[in-house]
Formats: sequence, C-alpha cells, structure tokens
Amino acid sequence: GAVVSQHPSRVICKSGTSVKIECRSLDFQATTMFWYRQFPKKSLMLMATSNEGSKATYEQGVEKDKFLINHASLTLSTLTVTSAHPEDSSFYICSAKRAGHSNQPQHFGDGTRLSIL
Amino acid sequence: RKEVEQDPGPFNVPEGATVAFNCTYSNSASQSFFWYRQDCRKEPKLLMSVYSSGNEDGRFTAQLNRASQYISLLIRDSKLSDSATYLCAVKYYGSGTYKYIFGTGTRLKVLA
Repeated sequence: GAVVSQHPSRVICKSGTSVKIECRSLDFQATTMFWYRQFPKKSLMLMATSNEGSKATYEQGVEKDKFLINHASLTLSTLTVTSAHPEDSSFYICSAKRAGHSNQPQHFGDGTRLSIL
Repeated sequence: RKEVEQDPGPFNVPEGATVAFNCTYSNSASQSFFWYRQDCRKEPKLLMSVYSSGNEDGRFTAQLNRASQYISLLIRDSKLSDSATYLCAVKYYGSGTYKYIFGTGTRLKVLA
C-alpha cells in the first residue's frame, strides 16, 4: 500500500489563486521530504528539500517566495504555489525517506496535476 | 554537463528481447543509486536499488560501475507490461543535505 500520500491529486484553478499541496508519510517519520516538478515527457526536477523544523533548501532557480514550503511535523510537508499562473501548470510530486535510513530509497506520493487557467 | 544523464530513447524492442539502459552521473561522491519505473502520468515507483556488487530481481539486473560513474539496468525476456519510462536516481550529500537527482528517463516500448 501507499506509504506517502499526496493531496490533492488534481487541481484546476484560475490564475492568481494560491494552491496548497500536502505530502504525508503514512507509517513512518520523515525528517526530510522532497518536492519535484515534472513537465510532460521531461524528468523530475528537484525544487526543494523540506526539512522538519527548519527552513527548506531550495534549488537554484526556484523562487522560495513563489513556492512556500512548510514541514511542521515529522509526517507532513506542504507546498504552496502562491499566485499561480499558467506557466506554473505542471505535475508536482513529493517524496519522503524514512528518518534514520540514509541509504534507503525515497517513496513518492501520487503526484498533483496542477492546471492554471 | 548534466548531473545525471540517460538516453531518452525510445527503445522499441520485441517481446522476449533483452534490453539494457545506462545512466551516467557526474558527482563522484554519489552514495546511493536507484532505478525507478514511471508509467505515463503516474508517479515513479522504485524498481530496485543498485548495489556495488550488482543485484538481480527476477528478469531485472542492475549494476554499478564507480570507476566509470555509470549504472545499468538489464531487462531480460521483455514483456509488454515492461513498457514505461525508466528513471535512474543518484543520491549524494551536498549543501548541507542529501539530494536525489534523477535522469531524464529512458522510454521503453515493448512491441507484440
């Protein structure tokens, strides 16, 4: 069964709306979660690393004021796309790794398909 | 140079064929390696981790070559259901945190 839950799976909204996406680890604690973005037929692009209890680490070129990340607990990270515009339309995927298992792979959420009209 | 590179394909192979993909990485300090499978419009799912000694899981064999900085995935006796995009992922420690970087993926189409 799924070990990482991502919600919502699909969002369609008007330009200028802010959208919040949740990523939950269901049966393990995750001190670190990752947020990726994927355009059609392209690879996953790491946007940021979400750290529980501290600020997220953003990759070069990713606007931290545009993509707000909050990791308030060991099982939940949220990504808020602020004032979304059509160019923000994409597939957003989170992943999580079990705390204390540095060599274990990540587990991915189902992804959120965001469409901004 | 990209941190992780893959041939995007597509690789079109007949059922029953053996097909191999390579993935090169640039960071020599990379610590862990993985192969993921991604179906169209779905999230990636872990196929297998890649160990230094090489590892096999049924029809799938993964190998790591640290000297040449690449990993490989071999699929034997291809099935129609193997059609998907195969992503390699590399983990390394940088900028105070672990990072997982993905290749662009290699598309495989197994034909009847």
